[in-house]
Amino acid sequence: ETGVTQSPTHLIKTRGQQVTLRCSSQSGHNTVSWYQQALGQGPQFIFQYYREEENGRGNFPPRFSGLQFPNYSSELNVNALELDDSALYLCASRTRGGEGWGFQETQYFGPGTRLLVL
Amino acid sequence: EDQVTQSPEALRLQEGESSSLNCSYTVSGLRGLFWYRQDPGKGPEFLFTLYSAGEEKEKERLKATLTKKESFLHITAPKPEDSATYLCAVRGYGQNFVFGPGTRLSVLP
Repeated sequence: ETGVTQSPTHLIKTRGQQVTLRCSSQSGHNTVSWYQQALGQGPQFIFQYYREEENGRGNFPPRFSGLQFPNYSSELNVNALELDDSALYLCASRTRGGEGWGFQETQYFGPGTRLLVL
Repeated sequence: EDQVTQSPEALRLQEGESSSLNCSYTVSGLRGLFWYRQDPGKGPEFLFTLYSAGEEKEKERLKATLTKKESFLHITAPKPEDSATYLCAVRGYGQNFVFGPGTRLSVLP
């Protein structure tokens, strides 16, 4: 049990629609990352939020956006859905203690949201 | 650019047949190498974090080791419940974790 929850568990959308996925992190974890995992592949980094600001982004277009809230919850929003957006979306949280501290930064994953775009 | 490769892509073992999974990496300043286990349709489950070459960690039938270029996950006398995909990830001086494609392990009774 990681203490990281995600909702919904499954979602079906059609091309062009918008979707919001939600994550609730462990209490005290000030950093949340979102990943996209296609079938048979490793997770691909989308972006990271630290203290409610985005501070890292992978190779994903601007139609992927996010928010982090003070209560350790966060959202991933995807606009103008495409068929290739079908994947398992994972959030992971950790505690970040600053640049000189980095050695206790294991991240813990939620169960994921399976998105199917038709 | 940080990169992670894993081999083999898939591995089939008989119950009790020990083996090793490989994770090769290139990273600018290693801040941690992470092993996760993932069951189908589930989120990755944390196994180990290794920080420096020569470090080893064990948990039940699993043992992870680290060198300057690769990490091994040794599985001793595996059981069918060890069947899963094993993911390796690294974090360097950048802000994100880079994952490998995983090794799909099947342990047959």
